[in-house]
Amino acid sequence: DAGITQSPRYKITETGRQVTLMCHQTWSHSYMFWYRQDLGHGLRLIYYSAAADITDKGEVPDGYVVSRSKTENFPLTLESATRSQTSVYFCASRSLAGETGELFFGEGSRLTVL
Amino acid sequence: QKEVEQNSGPLSVPEGAIASLNCTYSDRGSQSFFWYRQYSGKSPELIMFIYSNGDKEDGRFTAQLNKASQYVSLLIRDSQPSDSATYLCAVKRGSTLGRLYFGRGTQLTVWP
Repeated sequence: DAGITQSPRYKITETGRQVTLMCHQTWSHSYMFWYRQDLGHGLRLIYYSAAADITDKGEVPDGYVVSRSKTENFPLTLESATRSQTSVYFCASRSLAGETGELFFGEGSRLTVL
Repeated sequence: QKEVEQNSGPLSVPEGAIASLNCTYSDRGSQSFFWYRQYSGKSPELIMFIYSNGDKEDGRFTAQLNKASQYVSLLIRDSQPSDSATYLCAVKRGSTLGRLYFGRGTQLTVWP
């Protein structure tokens, strides 16, 4: 089915481990985004990408790495997880020509770092 | 100053009442304004967008934009318990390649 999917949906890891959250969209949208959502902070942008091989930092990029070798995939890696990275992570996409500018969100990945 | 500020809530209204959600933004160059609804444990979904000053109506929802005051609001008429959710205001600035700046959200509860 068309859409945007994230995996894993739930992940528990330990401090210092590397974790990769996957995001895949089937619409061929140009823009893709990673947000984290925490109580009291709302949605904060981590990284975004305007096209394959083009990425840029958002508001809270420290401790995260992204890549975008293919238009449809936008993985987010926590190179050495910390407890402060416990959060719900949302991947989103939108098309270049999207009239409304609407973001389409994945279902979220809930990450717990012990 | 945060890019987008929302009245913190929570907001509680009885069924059938009008719920009013407010949002201010800091960048005068902002062009597009969005309201997303997020049910608990779910991802945000777009319910309204507005580009021009004035009101835009869609069913029970009305978005209002005042660029001079840098103010956006969402009115929900005839509120229903199913409207109980967190409402996120988002703003797109002119030169930011499609990224949206989100407010922290306002939690709305509509009680029967």
